[in-house]
Amino acid sequence: DAKTTQPPSMDCAEGRAANLPCNHSTISGNEYVYWYRQIHSQGPQYIIHGLKNNETNEMASLIITEDRKSSTLILPHATLRDTAVYYCIVRVREYGNKLVFGAGTILRVKS
Amino acid sequence: EAGVAQSPRYKIIEKRQSVAFWCNPISGHATLYWYQQILGQGPKLLIQFQNNGVVDDSQLPKDRFSAERLKGVDSTLKIQPAKLEDSAVYLCASSSTGPNTEAFFGQGTRLTVV
Repeated sequence: DAKTTQPPSMDCAEGRAANLPCNHSTISGNEYVYWYRQIHSQGPQYIIHGLKNNETNEMASLIITEDRKSSTLILPHATLRDTAVYYCIVRVREYGNKLVFGAGTILRVKS
Repeated sequence: EAGVAQSPRYKIIEKRQSVAFWCNPISGHATLYWYQQILGQGPKLLIQFQNNGVVDDSQLPKDRFSAERLKGVDSTLKIQPAKLEDSAVYLCASSSTGPNTEAFFGQGTRLTVV
């Protein structure tokens, strides 16, 4: 079973920051927070992951609260191509550990 | 670097027929996953291989689904006989053994059972 809770859907204006929340109140000390997204008719795509510190890459930023019970994925300047389902997953970062997906958040970026 | 390849892209069959899907993972990736994604839901893991051994097949309906990974590279997933509720997208993913263990997904095979 998925160990995260996400809102079913969100809207964002094109060019604005999209902030996608995720609750993971039962996260264990050795579990990382991963984010994937799935654009229509494609397989899921890795975005970013983190343990306790905030992380940033070319796609997004990940903000994890100090108690690690929740996190926020930030797309700084959303475009129409960012419209997708976004999945927040907690997972022990070990070789071969599986990804357990929940229902995710449908993000709709509107012009 | 080539991604995860899957074929066919689409398949339509009648119920009670059999079907097979093929996956070629990223070169050198020892772990291979098959997921089933029903419309409107997140992907559900069916089976996980490490090289050519099964790590987890707890959610595979073994009375009708089977999978193999010969020589620890390519994999096939078979359904026999198919039911209407098997209509879904079947996703293959692979990951490496190194410190970057992110999984990379193929585009999937969309199966419609009529």
